[in-house]
Amino acid sequence: DAGVTQSPTHLIKTRGQQVTLRCSPISGHKSVSWYQQVLGQGPQFIFQYYEKEERGRGNFPDRFSARQFPNYSSELNVNALLLGDSALYLCASSLAAGGSGANVLTFGAGSRLTVL
Amino acid sequence: AQSVSQHNHHVILSEAASLELGCNYSYGGTVNLFWYVQYPGQHLQLLLKYFSGDPLVKGIKGFEAEFIKSKFSFNLRKPSVQWSDTAEYFCAVNGNAGNMLTFGGGTRLMVKP
Repeated sequence: DAGVTQSPTHLIKTRGQQVTLRCSPISGHKSVSWYQQVLGQGPQFIFQYYEKEERGRGNFPDRFSARQFPNYSSELNVNALLLGDSALYLCASSLAAGGSGANVLTFGAGSRLTVL
Repeated sequence: AQSVSQHNHHVILSEAASLELGCNYSYGGTVNLFWYVQYPGQHLQLLLKYFSGDPLVKGIKGFEAEFIKSKFSFNLRKPSVQWSDTAEYFCAVNGNAGNMLTFGGGTRLMVKP
C-alpha cells in the first residue's frame, strides 16, 4: 500500500513567485494536513482539510492557501514567496479529522522549497 | 494555546548507553501525546503514542515513554541505544478535538559505534 506521496520533492523559486505543492493521502484516509518544517525546528501546523472542508488553520499569512479534492488529494499554494518560506513542507494524512484512533498522522517525505 | 518543550537539542551517546529524552507540554485539558522519529534522509515516522490508559507506553524498536500528568511530561526512554537510533526525535501533543499536532523543537541524537 502506498504511503503519503508528495510532489515535487525539491524545487527552487525566487522571491515573489508562487508555488503549488501536491499531496496524495494513504488510500482510505479522508483528512490531509500540511506542516512547515524550517531547518532546525519542529514541524508547524499550517492547515487541515477533511472531506474538502478546512477544519483548522495555523498562524500563517493569507499568502498560504490550500484545498482538498474529491479524491482527498490536496494542494498547498503559497503566493508572493519570501526568503523565509524556505522550508520542508510536509503533508500528513489520517483516517478522520478527530477522535483518538483517527488522530494518528502519517507523514509524507515532504517537498523541500528553496526561495532565492 | 498548547506548546511543547524538548530540553535537549543535541545528545551524543555511545552504543549500549541508556537514553532519556525530555518532553514537557503546556495544555490544561486532555491530551494525546506522540513521539515521532526522523532518520537521516527519511520521513517522519510514528515511534509511539499515548491516548489513555496505562501511562507507560511501548513503541517500536524498544522505545517506551511515560506520561506523568502531574508534571506535564512525556519522556522517551530506551535502555540500550544502537548506532541505528541516530536520528532526530520530535515530541508532539494534540489537545483539541481535531488532530492538529504541536511539535517540540526536536532532539538530534547521535549514537557513536
